[in-house]
Amino acid sequence: NAGVTQTPKFQVLKTGQSMTLQCAQDMNHEYMSWYRQDPGMGLRLIHYSVGAGITDQGEVPNGYNVSRSTTEDFPLRLLSAAPSQTSVYFCASSNDRDGYTFGSGTRLTVV
Amino acid sequence: GDSVTQMEGPVTLSEEAFLTINCTYTATGYPSLFWYVQYPGEGLQLLLKATKADDKGSNKGFEATYRKETTSFHLEKGSVQVSDSAVYFCALKVYTGTYKYIFGTGTRLKVLA
Repeated sequence: NAGVTQTPKFQVLKTGQSMTLQCAQDMNHEYMSWYRQDPGMGLRLIHYSVGAGITDQGEVPNGYNVSRSTTEDFPLRLLSAAPSQTSVYFCASSNDRDGYTFGSGTRLTVV
Repeated sequence: GDSVTQMEGPVTLSEEAFLTINCTYTATGYPSLFWYVQYPGEGLQLLLKATKADDKGSNKGFEATYRKETTSFHLEKGSVQVSDSAVYFCALKVYTGTYKYIFGTGTRLKVLA
């Protein structure tokens, strides 16, 4: 099915480790974003991209990097994991006309 | 600045009750408005949308009307089911040189049999 695919679904990291959360979409959407969802905090935007080669920071970018080398892929890198980054991460994409299509999420625990 | 305010939850209803979840917004320009639903352990799914004033979005028995005069987009359903138990997010999308999405904090709905 067309949509947004996130991998892995679950991950446990030790403090200080790095990792990449993968996100891919097959809808030819220009706009892609990464959010984190924490209890009682709603969705908070980490980084977003308006097209291949273009990325920008959201409201909580510290500790995360992104790149957008293709329209389809938008990986999120955790540089040095911290317990405060324990969260559920959602990737989303959209075109000009419609709302977001969200991935199913990555549940990350940093110990 | 642009913002979305939705009613605090949780909302607990009996099956077949009428549902209203309030959502108001502040935005520059002419936003599109959305309701998303998140079932336990899943990502957000688009429930319905409206792109201009007086549009009514509808899906799965849910409805919401874009009211520019009251800057509101309240979600309604005439008869809820246990399977409607989820978290509902109101959101807007506005163009300010690039597209910006603003989400409300979510309202948890619990429907009792």
